[in-house]
Amino acid sequence: QKEVEQDPGPLSVPEGAIVSLNCTYSNSAFQYFMWYRQYSRKGPELLMYTYSSGNKEDGRFTAQVDKSSKYISLFIRDSQPSDSATYLCAMSAYSGAGSYQLTFGKGTKLSVIP
Amino acid sequence: SAVISQKPSRDICQRGTSLTIQCQVDSQVTMMFWYRQQPGQSLTLIATANQGSEATYESGFVIDKFPISRPNLTFSTLTVSNMSPEDSSIYLCSVSDRNYEQYFGPGTRLTVT
Repeated sequence: QKEVEQDPGPLSVPEGAIVSLNCTYSNSAFQYFMWYRQYSRKGPELLMYTYSSGNKEDGRFTAQVDKSSKYISLFIRDSQPSDSATYLCAMSAYSGAGSYQLTFGKGTKLSVIP
Repeated sequence: SAVISQKPSRDICQRGTSLTIQCQVDSQVTMMFWYRQQPGQSLTLIATANQGSEATYESGFVIDKFPISRPNLTFSTLTVSNMSPEDSSIYLCSVSDRNYEQYFGPGTRLTVT
């Protein structure tokens, strides 16, 4: 079993839809949970991070973490064509010497159709 | 967040040659990381590069194949040595300012023929 599982999609939705992106994980040592957005031919861009179970909201984006179920989600409300990108979940655990190591999901490719 | 640039942005190289990728940050950072992103795969950490110490390589990656330099707190290089077509990938550097957050450069798209 991989440490982080993410449905690669692709996912295609109409403009204005609510999008739900999900990841599951198996490593209880993960402490921080992040979502990155990656546009084509660009580097990943940190979208949101959280470290506790519950919801964190930022504009149209909501990150949800359920540590008991080892499950994280990203919700996008009122999706826009500009949201079309690959979304990667990432989780970090302390790896020693003051460093945290990130483990990524494979990414979900989202297309928002006008 | 830091602004990160990488050079070259893309390159096509012949089998058996080497390519050095540069990563420049606009502020001093303690930790820099090098990743590989292959199509359909997760980002895979190659090594962690801290200034003033040897790079720490992840399982499956060795210094002879991917030598790394970190001469100061704003710059690092990754060399892909003796390349084969299997090395075709996107190579990304990232930096960390609060340990658990990492910020990525735009990537170097490498094709080996």
